[in-house]
Amino acid sequence: DIQMTQSPSSLPASLGERVTISCRASQGISNNLNWYQQKPDGTIKPLIYYTSNLQSGVPSRFSGSGSGTDYSLTISSLEPEDFAMYYCQQDASFPPTFGGGTKLELK
Amino acid sequence: QVQLKESGPGLVQPSQTLSLTCTVSGLSLTSNSVSWIRQPPGKGLEWMGVIWSNGGTDYNSAIKSRLSISRDTSKSQVFLKMNSLQTEDTAMYFCARNGEPFDYWGQGVMVTVSS
Repeated sequence: DIQMTQSPSSLPASLGERVTISCRASQGISNNLNWYQQKPDGTIKPLIYYTSNLQSGVPSRFSGSGSGTDYSLTISSLEPEDFAMYYCQQDASFPPTFGGGTKLELK
Repeated sequence: QVQLKESGPGLVQPSQTLSLTCTVSGLSLTSNSVSWIRQPPGKGLEWMGVIWSNGGTDYNSAIKSRLSISRDTSKSQVFLKMNSLQTEDTAMYFCARNGEPFDYWGQGVMVTVSS
C-alpha cells in the first residue's frame, strides 16, 4: 500500500495568514491526490481533486499543487471557518490511502 | 440532492459482529459505487472497502477476512458486516460515494466495542 505522510501534524495560524500543508507519498502517484476538510463536528468535505482542481463550491482561497511524490494544499488567507483537520488521499493505486491529518488551529 | 446516512448500533461487544447500514438518496446504486471508511478516535481515516456499481466488492487486505459489504438496490441501502470485533475497531464509520474524490460523505456513526 502507498503510505501518505502529512506535515505538519499541527499548524497554529492567525486569521488572514497564508498557510501550506504538505503531503508526501511513499511512491509516485501521478497527481492522483485529493484533499479533504473535516470540521470539529466530524463532517468531511472534499476540497480538491487530482492535485489542483477545486471541488464545486470550494472558495478560491484554497489551492493545490505538486507532482511525483510531493503535494501541498495552500490556503491564501485564513477565514474563521478554515480552522479544521485536513487530510490528503491518494487514489493512484489500490487501496486508496489517507495521510495522518493536519490540525489547523487558531494561534 | 445526494445524501448518505449511516445507521447502526452504538455499542458492540468484543468478538461480536458489527452490522451497519448506509442509506442513500439522490443517486442510484446501480450506477454509483459506495465505500466504507472508518476513523478511530483522534486518528486518521482508513478505507475499508467498496461495493461497485456492478455489485462487485473490494476490501482492505488488513481486514478482508472479517469484512463483508453488500447492498439492496431497491431500498438504496449498502450494508457493512464485520465480525470478530475488537476494541481497536472502535471508530466513527462513514460511507461515501466513490467519485474522484470521495465526493459525498455521510455524517458517520460512532461504534464502540466494549463489554
